[in-house]
Amino acid sequence: QSVLTQPPSASGTPGQRVTISCSGSSSNIGSNTVNWYQQLPGAAPKLLIYTNNQWPSGVPARFSGSRSGTSASLAISGLQSEDEADYYCASWDDSLNGLVFGTGTKVTVL
Amino acid sequence: EVQLVESGGGLVQPGGSLRLSCAASDFTFSDYWMHWVRQAPGKGLVWVSRISDAATSTWYADSVKGRFTVSRDNAKNTLYLQMNSLRDEDTAVYYCARPLAGTRNAFDIWGQGTMVTVSS
Repeated sequence: QSVLTQPPSASGTPGQRVTISCSGSSSNIGSNTVNWYQQLPGAAPKLLIYTNNQWPSGVPARFSGSRSGTSASLAISGLQSEDEADYYCASWDDSLNGLVFGTGTKVTVL
Repeated sequence: EVQLVESGGGLVQPGGSLRLSCAASDFTFSDYWMHWVRQAPGKGLVWVSRISDAATSTWYADSVKGRFTVSRDNAKNTLYLQMNSLRDEDTAVYYCARPLAGTRNAFDIWGQGTMVTVSS
């Protein structure tokens, strides 16, 4: 099972800011970087944020990431209907010697 | 276009075996560590395995250790996942993924996925 905990759901109206948390431990987020993915229904995941707060080419700046201690968060500003998707955090875990994903958060645009 | 294309999925009985392939194109495959990630129907993403660029090192999730083997053929630009002793809980879409240059675990390129169904 996942060792990174995310809220199962989050929602907002168009234009609002939504924040998703990702809670881990000293063996993963506390000592390794965090990446965030967006997965639209029926599609492969897409990299949104890497190395805690960096944007891959083509990802709009209204998506932003941060890390503090053993937790990380993804913020979506100016929420749009096309942001309705599942979001996952991920980090390497030194104790498991493997990559761990978060439990996933479904974002709904009201 | 940089691309990953998985193949080899299908229906297999519990205890059976299957080999997945992931064909890479339009990038220097031998420069990248590569990963397998799976997703059971309606569930979240789960990391499966990683292999270094020269195939000198491999890593596995505890759930597949001893049953799955990751390998690669850099001359053929292809990644493999040999899956033995398959269980019902291995049923999932299997993705291969390439990390963003300069990272080892931030996947900017994903395949379309191949479905593996383990059922009697």
